[in-house]
Amino acid sequence: ELKVEQNPLFLSMQEGKNYTIYCNYSTTSDRLYWYRQDPGKSLESLFVLLSNGAVKQEGRLMASLDTKARLSTLHITAAVHDLSATYFCGLYGNEKLTFGTGTRLTIIP
Amino acid sequence: GAGVSQSPSNKVTEKGKDVELRCDPISGHTALYWYRQSLGQGLEFLIYFQGNSAPDKSGLPSDRFSAERTGGSVSTLTIQRTQQEDSAVYLCASRRPGQGYGYTFGSGTRLTVV
Repeated sequence: ELKVEQNPLFLSMQEGKNYTIYCNYSTTSDRLYWYRQDPGKSLESLFVLLSNGAVKQEGRLMASLDTKARLSTLHITAAVHDLSATYFCGLYGNEKLTFGTGTRLTIIP
Repeated sequence: GAGVSQSPSNKVTEKGKDVELRCDPISGHTALYWYRQSLGQGLEFLIYFQGNSAPDKSGLPSDRFSAERTGGSVSTLTIQRTQQEDSAVYLCASRRPGQGYGYTFGSGTRLTVV
């Protein structure tokens, strides 16, 4: 059974600080997605990671994929309030995405 | 259309009634997915359609749930004899063929069973 675990589940951090969200998964896959969800809204695509060692960056967010360790990370640099949201990783397998439980990120001024 | 369209956006129904939720995927997206998100929870896979292939129904929680996709486009998720535990946001997503393309999600239908 494909399992995806995210940690932490909740994260409060001060503006200007750096932090990392971790996404571990239980089976091999070469395709991992990161999404952002604002309260009451749908999911917004952030990154698609397709291969081992893939790294993508957009603004203050950077995502990486290590398929050997079955680990993806989402790194936040110098956090700002606008990044407050819930972040989900989703692993592609059996022709569908299996999502982690999400990380609720709150940026404190 | 420009995005995945879902209707209705909100639905309140009485326990025991049937409901239909609709999803219009992006034109040209051959794959269509239904997910369910309960309050404060992650996303639970329900069903997947790919072109004319038989759908993957492995995520449907009970036989009260069914879905169809007509003409490879619009999909309808039907919940019969709704129960309170069916209350959730039902999200539809579509994807164009080929590796590396993301899944585009609709804004969801918030279902409340009272």
